[in-house]
Amino acid sequence: DTAVSQTPKYLVTQMGNDKSIKCEQNLGHDTMYWYKQDSKKFLKIMFSYNNKELIINETVPNRFSPKSPDKAHLNLHINSLELGDSAVYFCASSQEGANYGYTFGSGTRLTVV
Amino acid sequence: GNSVTQMEGPVTLSEEAFLTINCTYTATGYPSLFWYVQYPGEGLQLLLKATKADDKGSNKGFEATYRKETTSFHLEKGSVQVSDSAVYFCAPGGSNYKLTFGKGTLLTVNP
Repeated sequence: DTAVSQTPKYLVTQMGNDKSIKCEQNLGHDTMYWYKQDSKKFLKIMFSYNNKELIINETVPNRFSPKSPDKAHLNLHINSLELGDSAVYFCASSQEGANYGYTFGSGTRLTVV
Repeated sequence: GNSVTQMEGPVTLSEEAFLTINCTYTATGYPSLFWYVQYPGEGLQLLLKATKADDKGSNKGFEATYRKETTSFHLEKGSVQVSDSAVYFCAPGGSNYKLTFGKGTLLTVNP
């Protein structure tokens, strides 16, 4: 199946830990994204990579660091997790920019306790 | 950058009722316009899109028309079903890579 796949689907961890979320797309898209969805369903873009180059870097704490080893993968590493990091994180991909729309992964629900 | 004003929810309807979710936007140029749907526990899925003025996007009985003069892209469905219960997001595209989503409208359809 062609898709955007994220792992893990659920992640429960303690404050202060470091965790990673992985994302892969097999759609041949050039651009990948991370979005954060809060408890009120508000979606906020965090990062975007186009052909492994960072092109969008919104106001996000330095504890969040994206890594794109190739254009099919975009991982998100979070250091020193805080309670406020609890949210659903979505990966997405697109071809040639926002006017063509995104394909989303199914999300990673992160709970920090 | 782009911005979106979307009808606040929640919206609760009975099955077979008519649905309208309003969306207005500000954007540079003439972006493509999108509606995404998020079913409970899932990611966002593209519901429909329109790429130029007066285009009508349609899918699964939902429709939205690109109105350049009013910068609007209202979502409509003539007869909703319980299975349409979800959160709906409006989003203008643009020449950059960033999709800006509205705040989402939660729709609940009761049998």
